Amino acid sequence: DQQVKQNSPSLSVQEGRISILNCDYTNSMFDYFLWYKKYPAEGPTFLISISSIKDKNEDGRFTVFLNKSAKHLSLHIVPSQPGDSAVYFCAASYQGGKLIFGQGTELSVKP
Amino acid sequence: NAGVTQTPKFQVLKTGQSMTLQCAQDMNHEYMSWYRQDPGMGLRLIHYSVGAGITDQGEVPNGYNVSRSTTEDFPLRLLSAAPSQTSVYFCASSSPSQGLLYEQYFGPGTRLTVT
Repeated sequence: DQQVKQNSPSLSVQEGRISILNCDYTNSMFDYFLWYKKYPAEGPTFLISISSIKDKNEDGRFTVFLNKSAKHLSLHIVPSQPGDSAVYFCAASYQGGKLIFGQGTELSVKP
Repeated sequence: NAGVTQTPKFQVLKTGQSMTLQCAQDMNHEYMSWYRQDPGMGLRLIHYSVGAGITDQGEVPNGYNVSRSTTEDFPLRLLSAAPSQTSVYFCASSSPSQGLLYEQYFGPGTRLTVT
């Protein structure tokens, strides 16, 4: 039973436009949500996070939105750049720091 | 700071063989975790440790053993390798005392193939 789902395996966006990556979760006990970025042959790197008591967190070009009633999380990247091309994983925290990851979305930003 | 290091980078095993994947971190992080990444499955937690001498099971612990005798090291042991354990393995660390309970730092991964 997948508690964190990323239903789009891939997304292609033009450089300069907005990228929107989506994530759904089922467990209302999750208290913290994160996005990680992963390049091929490297480990994931932390990108941005949001506590369950907030609905928005912004860091430069990256904004994460949390809709608790819909159990939905999204990551907005504006403007998208070719260097943003990577696999993006959303993750949810439970039991004090353990993470459950989604399947990942591969973002391709075309020049 | 080397961060989180993992050895080996690549490994091929025959079914039934045993081996240990090594993980070390030099950031004095209390928490360490092992994940496996499979196509279409994301990363799944295998085992978890909140400090030396303390370990806990994650989502997919069967077939794997861990121990944590020091803060720095968290080896993952495959007791009798099976083809289903073919995967990419990532080690990660985090530190509640440094305000990093949730943000985990990942190593570069070990690609394991079991034939």
